[in-house]
Amino acid sequence: QVQLVESGGGVVQPGRSLRLSCAASGFTFSSFGMNWVRQAPGKGLEWVAVIWYDGSKKYYADSVKGRFTISRDNSKNTLYLQMNSLRAEDTAVYYCARDVPDYWGQGTLVTVSS
Amino acid sequence: SYELTQPPSVSVSPGQTARISCSGDALAKKYAYWYQQKSGQAPVLVIYEDNKRPSGIPERLSGSSSGTMATLTISGAQVEDEADYYCYSTDSSDDPLWVFGGGTKLTVL
Repeated sequence: QVQLVESGGGVVQPGRSLRLSCAASGFTFSSFGMNWVRQAPGKGLEWVAVIWYDGSKKYYADSVKGRFTISRDNSKNTLYLQMNSLRAEDTAVYYCARDVPDYWGQGTLVTVSS
Repeated sequence: SYELTQPPSVSVSPGQTARISCSGDALAKKYAYWYQQKSGQAPVLVIYEDNKRPSGIPERLSGSSSGTMATLTISGAQVEDEADYYCYSTDSSDDPLWVFGGGTKLTVL
């Protein structure tokens, strides 16, 4: 069955960097686009970024453009989100999600605080 | 930027029909998707491409779209349908954005 497992979350100071990973299994990872979606505590869902199945196209929400970078390693079935210049408002649970999205991981919590 | 607008809350009694709307300019050209999120859990896709139901989703959940508005309908709502519901779509620009609506809290009591 499809499994998406995020890792790399934690507490980080404002202005610092963090890299999230999402390990995929149960499907042909290299055939699907992948997304990152986040949810701040008590708030709604916010789409963050998408990457095409082959990495050829990447799109970002305005709120993260220029600070976050989505990437993937199809040989390792892994999706990444490099987050730089983190701000307090980036505090959220970060989900990786396949394609539409149709399958979601359980999320990893990122807390930006001094 | 692009926005999808949902009512913050909808409340029905068990067995009644709940309707949750989602409005956005590009919905006339782009599909709507609907997600159900229960407290402390990851979202679950319940409707895709306006009106299609993934396997395992009860038939009482249905979707429709007309013009710039999409609607999620829950016919004969059950207590277990109580959750937050989000619509999702994309704009039609050359540099596309994907957006979620603000979410609707469905209360069944």
